[in-house]
Amino acid sequence: EAGVTQSPTHLIKTRGQQATLRCSPISGHTSVYWYQQALGLGLQFLLWYDEGEERNRGNFPPRFSGRQFPNYSSELNVNALELEDSALYLCASTYRGDVQPQHFGDGTRLSIL
Amino acid sequence: QKEVEQDPGPLSVPEGAIVSLNCTYSNSAFQYFMWYRQYSRKGPELLMYTYSSGNKEDGRFTAQVDKSSKYISLFIRDSQPSDSATYLCAMRGTNAGKSTFGDGTTLTVKP
Repeated sequence: EAGVTQSPTHLIKTRGQQATLRCSPISGHTSVYWYQQALGLGLQFLLWYDEGEERNRGNFPPRFSGRQFPNYSSELNVNALELEDSALYLCASTYRGDVQPQHFGDGTRLSIL
Repeated sequence: QKEVEQDPGPLSVPEGAIVSLNCTYSNSAFQYFMWYRQYSRKGPELLMYTYSSGNKEDGRFTAQVDKSSKYISLFIRDSQPSDSATYLCAMRGTNAGKSTFGDGTTLTVKP
C-alpha cells in the first residue's frame, strides 16, 4: 500500500510570491491534514479537510488556504510569502472520522529567499 | 503555556542504554496518545499508539500513559544507533481532527 505522497519535495520562492503544495492520501483515506514544522519546532496544525470540506483550521492567517479534490487529494496554497513561512509542510491522512493516528508523508520543504 | 510540553533534550546515550522520553499535557480532553519518530529530511513515522492509561509494549519500545498525572513516556530498551532521530509525542481528543504535538526530543545513540 502506497503511503501519503507529497510534491514537490523542495520548493524555493521569493517574498511576495505564491506557493502550491500537493498531497495524495493513502488509498481509502478521506481526511487530509496539513501541518507546518518550522526548524527545530514541533508540528503546528494548519488545516483539516474531509469529504471535500474544510473541517478545522489552525491559528494561521487567511493567506494559508487549501482545498480537497473529489479524489481526496489536497492542495495547500500560501499567498504573499514571507520569510517566516520557510518550513517543512507535512500532510497526513486518516479514514473519515477516524481517531486512529495520522500517517504522514515526507513533506515539502518550502524555502523563502 | 503550551498544551503539550516535551523534555527538550538533546539526549546522547551509549549503544545498549535504556532511553526515557517524556511529555506532559494540560488538556484533559486528550484521550489518544502517540509517539512518532522522525529522521532527518523525513516525515514523522508512527511508533506507538495508546488510548488508556497503562503500558503498551512493542518490541524494544514501551509507551506509558498516566492520565491522572497527565504524563506520558516512551522507553527504548537496548538502544541502537539506528534509533538516533527526533521523537515527537502527540495527542488528540475523541473527535476526529488535529493532533497536538510536542516540540520533539533529539536522540543520538553512540556506537
